[in-house]
Amino acid sequence: NAGVTQTPKFRILKIGQSMTLQCAQDMNHNYMYWYRQDPGMGLKLIYYSVGAGITDKGEVPNGYNVSRSTTEDFPLRLELAAPSQTSVYFCASRGDRDSSYEQYFGPGTRLTVT
Amino acid sequence: AQSVAQPEDQVNVAEGNPLTVKCTYSVSGNPYLFWYVQYPNRGLQFLLKYITGDNLVKGSYGFEAEFNKSQTSFHLKKPSALVSDSALYFCAVRDKNYGQNFVFGPGTRLSVLP
Repeated sequence: NAGVTQTPKFRILKIGQSMTLQCAQDMNHNYMYWYRQDPGMGLKLIYYSVGAGITDKGEVPNGYNVSRSTTEDFPLRLELAAPSQTSVYFCASRGDRDSSYEQYFGPGTRLTVT
Repeated sequence: AQSVAQPEDQVNVAEGNPLTVKCTYSVSGNPYLFWYVQYPNRGLQFLLKYITGDNLVKGSYGFEAEFNKSQTSFHLKKPSALVSDSALYFCAVRDKNYGQNFVFGPGTRLSVLP
């Protein structure tokens, strides 16, 4: 099992550019999440998905979009990048059972917008 | 609304001494509580959780945490700290009345000194 994988590891964008952060998991998890981590701020939920074809906004969705066409993949799209989107982005997944609330995190993507 | 506080940005402890990393929370309903650890340049790793049952929960790497409903706390503890425990620790809460929104605290940096 590779677990949760994310690409790229690092990226520098210019203001106004767009990009897609990739996330994939091989654990057959229905629940997937995108977080951003800013220094001293903990993690903020951007978007989440409860299964293929179903997505919903989290706490800080503005400036982002997601799609979930398969169980495995949950890409995060940044349109018109802004310096405020400089952050470390983490994708996570978890299983369905009521007891399995623990999330499995990918290694993160460090994004700088200049 | 749900919230999590970790009152200490940094905790220093000598190797072999007991450690405590503090967490307090606020939810409207029954909380699901979690501790995660983050090593440099890595994603978060699950340590332990409280869903229901015994107030003292045991997790990975010898860590444990005590759920205290009256004090709305969920402090992380370990009887004897190791240098390798040095990392960033996050407390998280989920109120099942708030869907998929897991709220993370700002993190506490633990340094174990040899």
